[in-house]
Amino acid sequence: SQQGEEDPQALSIQEGENATMNCSYKTSINNLQWYRQNSGRGLVHLILIRSNEREKHSGRLRVTLDTSKKSSSLLITASRAADTASYFCATDSNSGYALNFGKGTSLLVTP
Amino acid sequence: NAGVTQTPKFQVLKTGQSMTLQCAQDMNHNSMYWYRQDPGMGLRLIYYSASEGTTDKGEVPNGYNVSRLNKREFSLRLESAAPSQTSVYFCASSEATGAGGKLFFGSGTQLSVL
Repeated sequence: SQQGEEDPQALSIQEGENATMNCSYKTSINNLQWYRQNSGRGLVHLILIRSNEREKHSGRLRVTLDTSKKSSSLLITASRAADTASYFCATDSNSGYALNFGKGTSLLVTP
Repeated sequence: NAGVTQTPKFQVLKTGQSMTLQCAQDMNHNSMYWYRQDPGMGLRLIYYSASEGTTDKGEVPNGYNVSRLNKREFSLRLESAAPSQTSVYFCASSEATGAGGKLFFGSGTQLSVL
C-alpha cells in the first residue's frame, strides 16, 4: 500500500516564488526520498534524508523531516519554469526491499 | 552512460495478447524493480528483484510474471493482457539490496490494452 501522501495535489506559482510541498507517511521509516518527474519521462532522484536528520539542502532544494509528525516538506526556492514537474516522496516499505511512492504534487511554474 | 533502458516505449495490445517488457541497466546494480503508474494512483510496485536469481511480489503482481535473466536484465511479462493493465510501466534499479538506496528509472513504456 502507498505509504506517503503529498500535499497539495497541485500547485501553481510564478517564477521567482518559492514552492513548498508536503509529504505525510504512516509507519516508521529509515529514510525518505524525493523524486521529480517531468512530463512523459521517468522519475529522477532529488534528495534523500535519513530518519536521524532534520534538514538537508541541495542547491535550491531544502528538505525537512519531522519523524514525530511523520511528515516531510520539500521547498524549492526561487522557482524557474524548468521546475515544472510532478514531485513524489518515497519511503521504505514494510518489507524493507522497495520504496513506496505517494501520488505526487503537480507543480506548475509560470514565467 | 545509458543507465536504465526500457523497450518498447509504446505498445498497443488486444485483450488476451501476451508481451514482454524488457529492462536493462548498465550500472552493475543489485536490485531491480517494476512499477506501474496510473493517473491519480502514483507508482505501485509490481515485482522486484533484490539480487540476481531472486524475485518477489510487490503490491500489484496479479497478471504479471518477471524474470531476472542476469544482473543486468529484468523483464516483465503479461501472459494475457487485460484493459486494466493499460498503464505506464517503469523499470528502476538501485545499488542497494534493500530500500535504502536511490532509484534510477528508465523512461517508461506506455501500454494500451484494447
